[in-house]
Amino acid sequence: AQTVTQSQPEMSVQEAETVTLSCTYDTSESDYYLFWYKQPPSRQMILVIRQEAYKQQNATENRFSVNFQKAAKSFSLKISDSQLGDAAMYFCAAAQGGSEKLVFGKGTKLTVNP
Amino acid sequence: DAGITQSPRHKVTETGTPVTLRCHQTENHRYMYWYRQDPGHGLRLIHYSYGVKDTDKGEVSDGYSVSRSKTEDFLLTLESATSSQTSVYFCAISDSPQHPTTDTQYFGPGTRLTVL
Repeated sequence: AQTVTQSQPEMSVQEAETVTLSCTYDTSESDYYLFWYKQPPSRQMILVIRQEAYKQQNATENRFSVNFQKAAKSFSLKISDSQLGDAAMYFCAAAQGGSEKLVFGKGTKLTVNP
Repeated sequence: DAGITQSPRHKVTETGTPVTLRCHQTENHRYMYWYRQDPGHGLRLIHYSYGVKDTDKGEVSDGYSVSRSKTEDFLLTLESATSSQTSVYFCAISDSPQHPTTDTQYFGPGTRLTVL
């Protein structure tokens, strides 16, 4: 079975600084996809970034980037130049190719201090 | 933003009563999903649909049923609500025929259900 682990229940960062959120996953498949979702206090789930396992290059979306270490099954999210609006719950998720199931980690609550 | 609405947004009910939550999309997407979110568990898949009248179970389907009679609507029913079903329920949609789950899922705003 596929599992996703986020070992940091809470993290904090100073505005304008950089923070890295950790995620590890376990899958026996070679075809899979990884995601980071953001959930602000409004509860809306927002896709932050997506990574295909077959791609060597780390995905990047503006201030958000990932460090995808396939051998270590690690998929961390780096947020650069943190802003107050980045404060939210962040969920790591994984899906196997051809599967109907998106498996989520338990989340990391990020606080951004002014 | 994807056109997904959920109704009601908040509901309080009593143990043993039936409850139906509605997810409505205006995107004509084929795939629709119901998740529940609980503290310490992230989101867990309850049921999903891959077309009209085509549904299947997810990770935590016991006590829930679903129906999809139209592309735009996906209903989640708790036949006899229990306190353990107090949760926030999210609907999601996807339109990738090859990779419905591995492509982007767009989420609705959520429904907070409290079962007393």
